Amino acid sequence: DAKTTQPPSMDCAEGRAANLPCNHSTISGNEYVYWYRQIHSQGPQYIIHGLKNNETNEMASLIITEDRKSSTLILPHATLRDTAVYYCIVRSPHTGNQFYFGTGTSLTVIP
Amino acid sequence: DGGITQSPKYLFRKEGQNVTLSCEQNLNHDAMYWYRQDPGQGLRLIYYSQIVNDFQKGDIAEGYSVSREKKESFPLTVTSAQKNPTAFYLCASSSGTGDGDTQYFGPGTRLTVL
Repeated sequence: DAKTTQPPSMDCAEGRAANLPCNHSTISGNEYVYWYRQIHSQGPQYIIHGLKNNETNEMASLIITEDRKSSTLILPHATLRDTAVYYCIVRSPHTGNQFYFGTGTSLTVIP
Repeated sequence: DGGITQSPKYLFRKEGQNVTLSCEQNLNHDAMYWYRQDPGQGLRLIYYSQIVNDFQKGDIAEGYSVSREKKESFPLTVTSAQKNPTAFYLCASSSGTGDGDTQYFGPGTRLTVL
């Protein structure tokens, strides 16, 4: 599975959009980009995933560059409850392929 | 209310004792996973099971054992052979098919060895 690079920490003002970047320059053709978040002492929460096209759901939007070497997770209106560690993961879609969670980006939403 | 449950949330054990962590899912998922997380670290795969009565070792299986007798249940036993068992243990499940095979996680069990 491809390795990802994320900034270790970011701040965002409450009510503003939070844009979390992720580099995955070695991603291969069948690997999906996943985003999870983990609030302290809880299990990771699935946010969104995509292969090539941009995706949106009730939680966030995922923007994947045309060359697929990077992506951005957008939380459109950040709230204090969005403070968490956000993980970007690339993975081929085969059962048994584990999710390699790195150290992620610690997002702090500031009042 | 569908989801994955893990019990207990906190568990304490004395050194040299075996302990079993519970994981149950009602999502009708075929695949289940156990991960370990240490402070400030990412997750590491211990074992996974793609189907009932079958399971495979992950990256750090030594000192752990599992069983998969029922589709809904995937208990993890931390044996006395595990050198550093104090950690946060996470169970996950996935359908094993379809778009991307997303894994969904339980709330975790924090194990402390005294």
